[in-house]
Amino acid sequence: NFMLTQPHSVSESPGKTVTISCTRSSGSIASSYVQWYQQRPGSAPTTVIYDDDHRPSGVPHRFSGSINSSSNSASLTISGLRTEDEADYYCQSSDSSNAGVFGAGTKVTVL
Amino acid sequence: EVQLVESGGGLVKPGGSLRLSCAASGFTFSTYSMNWVRQAPGKGLQWVSFISSSTAYISYADSVKGRFTISRDNAKNSVFLQMNSLRAEDTGVYYCARGRGTYDHWGQGTLVIVSS
Repeated sequence: NFMLTQPHSVSESPGKTVTISCTRSSGSIASSYVQWYQQRPGSAPTTVIYDDDHRPSGVPHRFSGSINSSSNSASLTISGLRTEDEADYYCQSSDSSNAGVFGAGTKVTVL
Repeated sequence: EVQLVESGGGLVKPGGSLRLSCAASGFTFSTYSMNWVRQAPGKGLQWVSFISSSTAYISYADSVKGRFTISRDNAKNSVFLQMNSLRAEDTGVYYCARGRGTYDHWGQGTLVIVSS
């Protein structure tokens, strides 16, 4: 099976932009959709991006997703960073047997 | 409003068993695949098991294969996880999550502690 690798942490000041990468170890990043989940301390995960670049209703336009076949990676970009964006973010994809694969998570700190 | 409510967690000794339940409401349960995802204390998310809407497709993480069994009752809008031969490393919060490939709704989780 494949793995998804994320940076352990990123930090930036309010109002700035952060980008979190998620690199797939084998197989094409485009072969199955990538999702991004936000998890605040003590809470369940919520979806901020699904199917590579789609935002669920209610998720601010400040959140965007993309994939890059050249680097075999997906990215989550948060622009206009707010203190409420401080959380752990996980990328996720699935294999052909419907098994989910999660990245290890990235802690976003708003300085 | 979609709601997923897990129950059945608790403290169990190594080698013991637990049965988790997830009660769904606010959507047509019988048309959706479901999953169990867990999170060890201070760690990341780990997918555990998947069941399709009709139960035709079921899959498990290697770490639980042969010990855990997923099932569902579409008449009762519920999905279950029977956990046998529990180990300390099975400790964590267990979430049920809706969907195939993408998990669009999650429950609040139920805590399982495996300890003597």
